[in-house]
Amino acid sequence: DQQVKQNSPSLSVQEGRISILNCDYTNSMFDYFLWYKKYPAEGPTFLISISSIKDKNEDGRFTVFLNKSAKHLSLHIVPSQPGDSAVYFCAASAGGGYQKVTFGTGTKLQVIP
Amino acid sequence: DTAVSQTPKYLVTQMGNDKSIKCEQNLGHDTMYWYKQDSKKFLKIMFSYNNKELIINETVPNRFSPKSPDKAHLNLHINSLELGDSAVYFCASSQQSGPNTGELFFGEGSRLTVL
Repeated sequence: DQQVKQNSPSLSVQEGRISILNCDYTNSMFDYFLWYKKYPAEGPTFLISISSIKDKNEDGRFTVFLNKSAKHLSLHIVPSQPGDSAVYFCAASAGGGYQKVTFGTGTKLQVIP
Repeated sequence: DTAVSQTPKYLVTQMGNDKSIKCEQNLGHDTMYWYKQDSKKFLKIMFSYNNKELIINETVPNRFSPKSPDKAHLNLHINSLELGDSAVYFCASSQQSGPNTGELFFGEGSRLTVL
């Protein structure tokens, strides 16, 4: 049972344009949502997160939007740069205890110069 | 100086063998994890230890045995390796104190191939 879903395995975007990566979840107990970025032959690295009490969090070129009623979140990258080309994992955790983080299957973003 | 380091990075072995992967973190974190990324790229938690105590065990076959000699180390031993164990294994750590933010620090991964 996949509780965090990323339905687009890949995405190509022109440099300078906006990249929008989407994620859906099914578990209503999730209260923290994260995006991780992964380059080949490296481990995932934390990018940005959002608490369930917010609907938007911004960090430089990266913005995460959360729609709790739709159980949907998205990551916007503006403007996209070639160095952003990587696999992006959506993840979620439920509070109240130890950090059990559930990951999606990832979306491979290619930013074309 | 690598924050979370795993060895070996690559491991090729025959079915039925026993192998170990080691992990060390120098971040001073309380909690360490093993995640498995299978051929479908699904990153799934296997185990979590907090201060040497097992706190998460996600119905992993008992051929997999984690060991944490201290809070900076978490090793993974796998007995009687099977073809389906081929995957990339990621070690991770987090600081448990404070809010449950889900922010994990990952190692580079250990690619295990079972022939």
